[in-house]
Amino acid sequence: GAVVSQHPSWVICKSGTSVKIECRSLDFQATTMFWYRQFPKQSLMLMATSNEGSKATYEQGVEKDKFLINHASLTLSTLTVTSAHPEDSSFYICSAHFTDTQYFGPGTRLTVL
Amino acid sequence: GDSVTQMEGPVTLSEEAFLTINCTYTATGYPSLFWYVQYPGEGLQLLLKATKADDKGSNKGFEATYRKETTSFHLEKGSVQVSDSAVYFCALSDLAGTASKLTFGTGTRLQVTL
Repeated sequence: GAVVSQHPSWVICKSGTSVKIECRSLDFQATTMFWYRQFPKQSLMLMATSNEGSKATYEQGVEKDKFLINHASLTLSTLTVTSAHPEDSSFYICSAHFTDTQYFGPGTRLTVL
Repeated sequence: GDSVTQMEGPVTLSEEAFLTINCTYTATGYPSLFWYVQYPGEGLQLLLKATKADDKGSNKGFEATYRKETTSFHLEKGSVQVSDSAVYFCALSDLAGTASKLTFGTGTRLQVTL
């Protein structure tokens, strides 16, 4: 139980384009999901907290207009990287909160050329 | 604010050796404590957790005990396998019962050799 999926698992895009990453809780409902970014050999950096039916809460220093988050249902949150640039290349990981624990997706590797 | 400190890696062990990865924390309340494991190219998997003092979390031969007096949650395993090679993250959540943020340690890379 408590499985979280992400799609796509990896994506390559050209600079200036937008990319959407989906995060789904497969066997439970999640009012709250989280989006993280992880640089090589580093820990996870929380980008934003996504609440179903309301606006996301962004961490300090994260551009809300660049990283658009939508949490339209209890099983789906999406992160859209708008006008992506090479410095946005990273590993993006989502998690969903369920019974006092965060369950993580497998991650999406984004490469911007 | 809350913080988690993990021992520096990488940790290299021979198969069947005993493993300890130290983790200490600073928190204002009574946090829940977690160990997550990340295999190469994958997301994080919950390994074990403890929600109150003196609780012991255990899974797949790994154990960690919530020590409030020393603010620690050290991860141990009696006999590691090559398949345990991964990065291990200690984390805390400060508001039990709510969907609060996780504060992570920097991660400890474990390499197990034959």
